[in-house]
Amino acid sequence: DAMVIQNPRYQVTQFGKPVTLSCSQTLNHNVMYWYQQKSSQAPKLLFHYYDKDFNNEADTPDNFQSRRPNTSFCFLDIRSPGLGDAAMYLCATSSIGRNYGYTFGSGTRLTVV
Amino acid sequence: AQSVTQPDIHITVSEGASLELRCNYSYGATPYLFWYVQSPGQGLQLLLKYFSGDTLVQGIKGFEAEFKRSQSSFNLRKPSVHWSDAAEYFCAVEKYGNKLVFGAGTILRVKS
Repeated sequence: DAMVIQNPRYQVTQFGKPVTLSCSQTLNHNVMYWYQQKSSQAPKLLFHYYDKDFNNEADTPDNFQSRRPNTSFCFLDIRSPGLGDAAMYLCATSSIGRNYGYTFGSGTRLTVV
Repeated sequence: AQSVTQPDIHITVSEGASLELRCNYSYGATPYLFWYVQSPGQGLQLLLKYFSGDTLVQGIKGFEAEFKRSQSSFNLRKPSVHWSDAAEYFCAVEKYGNKLVFGAGTILRVKS
């Protein structure tokens, strides 16, 4: 089945140690998104790629970066994780103009120790 | 700016009872509206979406939602709730630039 896959499901990292979360899709959607969801809160958009064009939300901290080497893969890099970055990170995809909606992965739960 | 309001943080219903989760949106044009469900520790699963046409939308798991432009609402309903429906439900609107903006969510508890 076509889907959005996030690895790993759970990630533990040390305070200040760079960490990378990955997302892959088999839907061939041209847009990929990264959302941060803290406990008991709504998902908050960090940034998205429209094809290779990177779009950062105005309030996304510089500590968060992203890479999209090809259509299928997108990475979220946290350069120096702080305790406040502990959250569920959700990857999503969509296909502009086809009204397919948005498909989410199962998320990566990040713990910072 | 586009925004979504879910006025109920928690709702508790008895199994077999009907359910309505409220959602109000603020958007200048014809909105694209969504309902997602999230079980603990899981990602978001799409229940249904409204783009245009018939204002009563059918979704998965027996859910439906009705778009009411005059009330700026997109309430989610289910005639008979099952214990497995206990989860958090998010209403969302597509913001200009093809981005989703979520409401704060409603946690549904089901009493047996």
